[in-house]
Amino acid sequence: DAGITQSPRHKVTETGTPVTLRCHQTENHRYMYWYRQDPGHGLRLIHYSYGVKDTDKGEVSDGYSVSRSKTEDFLLTLESATSSQTSVYFCAISEGGGDTEAFFGQGTRLTVV
Amino acid sequence: GENVEQHPSTLSVQEGDSAVIKCTYSDSASNYFPWYKQELGKGPQLIIDIRSNVGEKKDQRIAVTLNKTAKHFSLHITETQPEDSAVYFCAATINSGYALNFGKGTSLLVTP
Repeated sequence: DAGITQSPRHKVTETGTPVTLRCHQTENHRYMYWYRQDPGHGLRLIHYSYGVKDTDKGEVSDGYSVSRSKTEDFLLTLESATSSQTSVYFCAISEGGGDTEAFFGQGTRLTVV
Repeated sequence: GENVEQHPSTLSVQEGDSAVIKCTYSDSASNYFPWYKQELGKGPQLIIDIRSNVGEKKDQRIAVTLNKTAKHFSLHITETQPEDSAVYFCAATINSGYALNFGKGTSLLVTP
């Protein structure tokens, strides 16, 4: 398996609280992604990074922010969690961007109550 | 944004039969079309991919075909086995090649 670690793996949080999910890679890949997976919606892109401090929005970026201060770490922050952000979050990495193989982490199950 | 449509959403076949999953995409600039398999409780894993300069690619029991003119591509699994049961996702490049857009997934069940 590619060296991708997501933390935490499970989290329950209250509405209105900030939450940060971490993705750590040991592959030195340039590109990192955050997706959310919901029944009936498949995988939807939240944000991605194409280098240190270089990030861009995806399809469902509202309510989320990201940061990448070093190659190996990509953080996803829910500024004020809402019940609609209850989901399974996947981090992915790729060496060459969207036209090369993406490797996925194990996922983080987030429940907002 | 650019869409990737995937059908069917569920598919049940008997062991040994073939399974076909179809996808269409809207961005004519897309040039890379991977297929991912997701087993329960795990992240998706690449099983096969195809680029826009190729019409068909095969790897043992799985194959992918691409029709760029019609903007659709398909996954074919032959001689299905119970361990093929999983959720399958198609995807296409978006955002000038920076990222992938995924279909909504197909839940494949192979019954013995």
